[in-house]
Amino acid sequence: EVQVVESGGGLAQPGGSLRLSCEASGFMFPNSPMSWVRQAPGRGLEWVAGISATFSHTYYTDSVKGRFTISRDNPRNTLFLQMNRLRAEDTAVYYCAKEGLYFDHWGQGALVTVSS
Amino acid sequence: IVMTQSPVTLSVSPGERATLSCRASQTVNSNLAWYQQKPGQAPRLLIYGASTRATDIPARFSGSGSGTEFTLTISSLQSEDFAVYFCQQYDKWPLTFGGGTKVEIK
Repeated sequence: EVQVVESGGGLAQPGGSLRLSCEASGFMFPNSPMSWVRQAPGRGLEWVAGISATFSHTYYTDSVKGRFTISRDNPRNTLFLQMNRLRAEDTAVYYCAKEGLYFDHWGQGALVTVSS
Repeated sequence: IVMTQSPVTLSVSPGERATLSCRASQTVNSNLAWYQQKPGQAPRLLIYGASTRATDIPARFSGSGSGTEFTLTISSLQSEDFAVYFCQQYDKWPLTFGGGTKVEIK
């Protein structure tokens, strides 16, 4: 069974940092592009970042470029999102999603709250 | 690419047909997906390639369209289908979602 499980969410101050992790199982993680998608409270979905399978090419939405970094550790079947210089508007549930273009499996999400 | 969904809310009786629309600000060819999201849950992929049902998705869900105009049809609404539906284009970076259509019980 395909599973992706996020961890690392929590409360951060504006300007602070958090690192999200996503542990994958049930599929060939090294062969799969992966993504992070977020959802602010009561709002719609926003794609945040993606990473290719083989050469770890990375892609970002404009609002997080230079602040967030997506990476992967293929031997550990784990995806990461390093979030720096956090802003109040980054407050959201962050979903780890399998595949890089459309998303066929999603985790349950990790809540990130940015507040002083 | 801006994705616009209509209507924002759709009130439908169980057993009736529901038709949801999604419009792209420029062509996305057939690179469009639909998702269903229930309260407190992660989204679930329904359709990709504008019209291909994802694994284990019932046949009452169908997608159509290409270019800039797309439709998701639920042929006979079941109780478990009342949810929010999002479209998403993957033709160009950044990937973008529509604002969603909430399908509620009439």
